[in-house]
This record gives sequence, structure tokens and C-alpha cells, in this order.
Amino acid sequence: SQQGEEDPQALSIQEGENATMNCSYKTSINNLQWYRQNSGRGLVHLILIRSNEREKHSGRLRVTLDTSKKSSSLLITASRAADTASYFCATDDGMDSSYKLIFGSGTRLLVRP
Amino acid sequence: DAGVIQSPRHEVTEMGQEVTLRCKPISGHDYLFWYRQTMMRGLELLIYFNNNVPIDDSGMPEDRFSAKMPNASFSTLKIQPSEPRDSAVYFCASGPLSIENTQYFGPGTRLTVL
Repeated sequence: SQQGEEDPQALSIQEGENATMNCSYKTSINNLQWYRQNSGRGLVHLILIRSNEREKHSGRLRVTLDTSKKSSSLLITASRAADTASYFCATDDGMDSSYKLIFGSGTRLLVRP
Repeated sequence: DAGVIQSPRHEVTEMGQEVTLRCKPISGHDYLFWYRQTMMRGLELLIYFNNNVPIDDSGMPEDRFSAKMPNASFSTLKIQPSEPRDSAVYFCASGPLSIENTQYFGPGTRLTVL
């Protein structure tokens, strides 16, 4: 079952612009993670935000989490062509002690040079 | 560290044949996951292991799929017999024992069943 749903499904921006992707989920969580997947490659972990955190930064990445709305956003500032990839949010199930992550359907980001 | 290693990277086989995908997790990681990714269904968790023991195989689609982890450094995912609808990219991921359950993915095996 889908836990995270990303929005938009696809995003095309010019190099230097900011890119914002959103993720909604259904159940309570312990943390939410964002991963990047370049074409033909495996997923790479970008950043994790815990359920008691509201905002987190890592380089050009900014993640926010609103547990009341069960949503998160990933902002990539000053985008580069190399940021072209698919971005996935992943959540655990806060009520379940299992170690599973459930991934959303992803946002395909195209950064035009 | 070399990261998660998967082999083969590409596999083309004919319907009815047995397919074995292999994975070497990152040394020291306690968890190993097998995923399947398709355009239609996205990224699906098939099975995961903790300390070589299968914990949850509820995502394994049919009895044609089986997975083993005979030791901490090796796992296989076997499809027998294979069908065209099994065509997908199969990822192996591993993760340390941590409250944050971050996962580290291999490069994937692209399987095509003709």
C-alpha cells in the first residue's frame, strides 16, 4: 500500500531556480526520509527528518515536516543540471515496530541548463 | 566501503527459465531488503531479513519467488519459473541497526523476461 505520495509527479525548471516537491503520508511516523534516484541507478539517501522536528537543512536541501497535516516538502535551492533525477519520500510506520520503509511514487525533476 | 553489490546488472532470459539475482550487503549491516521497481507499480518491498533471518515476506508476489540469506554477506532472490510480467529492476538494499532505518541501495539488476 502507498504510504507516501509525492506531488507533483514531474517538475521541469531552469538551472538556478528552486525546486519544491511535496509528500503526503497516511499513518503516524517516527521519521521521514528523502531519497534521490538518478536514471538507471539505485536510490541514494539524502536527508532524514524525525517526527519531532519541523525543519532540517543539508547543503542546498531544506526539508520541512508537518505531522498535523501528514506532509513534508523538499526544497532544492539554486538547482543544477546534475540535480535532474527522481526524488522519493519514504516513511516508516510509527505504529509498527518493523524496519520497513514505504516509498512514494516519486517526483521526476528535470533541471534545464 | 564498496557499497551494496548486485549481480548481474542485466539479465535477459526466456519465459520459464530460472533466474537468480545476487546481493552482497555492506559489511556490518544487520538488515537486507529486496525491492522491485516498475513504472506501473513503483518501488515495492518484496522481503527483508534481519541478521540473515527473513522477517517479512508479505511482498513476495507468488510462490515462484524465493529469497535466501545463507550468511551475513550474501543473499539471493530466485524466480522459478520466470514470466514476462516479472520484468523489472530489482534492487537490494542494506541498513544498519538504527532507529533511523536508513537504507543503502545497490545499483539494481534489470531483468527482462521474453
